[in-house]
Amino acid sequence: DVVMTQTPLSLSVTPGQPASISCKSSQSLLHTNGKTYLYWYLQKPGQSPQLLMYEVSNRFSGVPDRFSGSGSGTDFTLKISRVEADDVGVYYCMQSMELPYTFGQGTKLDIK
Amino acid sequence: QVHLVQSGPEVKKPGASVKVSCKASGYTFIDNYLHWVRQAPGQGLEWLGWFNPDSGDTNYARKFRGRVTMTSDTSINTAFMELSSLRSDDTGVYYCARDIYGRTDHWGQGTLVTVSS
Repeated sequence: DVVMTQTPLSLSVTPGQPASISCKSSQSLLHTNGKTYLYWYLQKPGQSPQLLMYEVSNRFSGVPDRFSGSGSGTDFTLKISRVEADDVGVYYCMQSMELPYTFGQGTKLDIK
Repeated sequence: QVHLVQSGPEVKKPGASVKVSCKASGYTFIDNYLHWVRQAPGQGLEWLGWFNPDSGDTNYARKFRGRVTMTSDTSINTAFMELSSLRSDDTGVYYCARDIYGRTDHWGQGTLVTVSS
């Protein structure tokens, strides 16, 4: 199975400051069709996960442009340019390049 | 507007089976795969498999093969996930999620399954 490793596992950020989460996969997530099957989700407290980014760097509908995704191959990053109170929760990366789909351990973001 | 509404919480004894439902609305049910994902208490997300409501095809994570069955009733736009031979470590919240072009864009509210003697 593809192992997804996130760092850090937790971070505490002052509102208005940036935040960055790393996700590394044990195998390349680049498909021969040119797409990279790496996704980012946010699970807010008490809620279901919600899609933030798909195929590395595409923001899902309604996601603020404060969120951006980058990376290639096996190394990926989610950045929040200016953290807001509504951004608290657990962030997960997920790969769907190979079955079974696998998730990172999650990164818990809270506000200082 | 897409909605996935799941069935209510369940309490089961070890060795029993549980069947969770996921009723879809706001789109053509057979047009999209559905995934099932679970989350143990205080833990991360674990993928169980996907289901194609149009063909009935499935693909289960190796860990759950032999214990999980995904089906649907297209007449009521509802998918089902049945997990058998329940153990205490099957306790958690089970989610259904719609797949569109390889991404899960809408999730159900989750169903808490508690396995306890």
